[in-house]
Amino acid sequence: ETVLTQSPATLSLSPGETATLSCRASQSVLSHLAWYQQRPGQAPRLLIYDASLRATGIPPRFSGSGSGTDFTLTISRLEPEDFALYFCQRRGGWPPSPWTFGQGTRVEVK
Amino acid sequence: QVQVVQSGAEVQKPGASVIISCKTSASTFTFYYIQWVRQAPGQGLEWMGMVNPETGTTTYAQKFQGRVTVTTDTSTSTVYMHLSSLRSDDTAVYYCSQGGILPGMAAPGDFDHWGQGTLVTVSS
Repeated sequence: ETVLTQSPATLSLSPGETATLSCRASQSVLSHLAWYQQRPGQAPRLLIYDASLRATGIPPRFSGSGSGTDFTLTISRLEPEDFALYFCQRRGGWPPSPWTFGQGTRVEVK
Repeated sequence: QVQVVQSGAEVQKPGASVIISCKTSASTFTFYYIQWVRQAPGQGLEWMGMVNPETGTTTYAQKFQGRVTVTTDTSTSTVYMHLSSLRSDDTAVYYCSQGGILPGMAAPGDFDHWGQGTLVTVSS
């Protein structure tokens, strides 16, 4: 199974700053990577799929990049509602392989 | 409005089994995978397995092989997750979600809908 390692575990930033989150895969996942946001008490929400495509309704301040083993989620000009947990997930591809999650990055208010 | 609706909270004893249901829309049932994900209190997301509802083919995380079974009922657009030999560390919120285009399907790639979560408590 592919292991996804996210860093840092916690990111302490102020509103208006830029958050850069990393997700590294133990083997190539091509572009089959998604990013999710999770707020307390809520189910995860898809932000980015296929490494760089924004899901419907996601503001353009969220952007994803990378392919193969190294991926980045960038959140520009942090808004108060962006302080949350973020997970990457290997999602998609053929033949079907386990859709593992990274352990998460918490973006908190500094 | 797409809805994914899960069955209600469960309390089970160690060694028992639990079955959680996940009902989706009939119109989208055979276009997307259904995955099962759990989250223990204060922890991250843990992927358990998924099913291709069109073929019934399943893929499971190594950790849960032999203990989890995912089945489908296409007549009701419902997916079931059966977890056996429950332990206290299986206490978690269990989510199903519909998303990820099935092979050969032409459909929006950002389709992603989650159930409300089912709390499973394992306690003697």
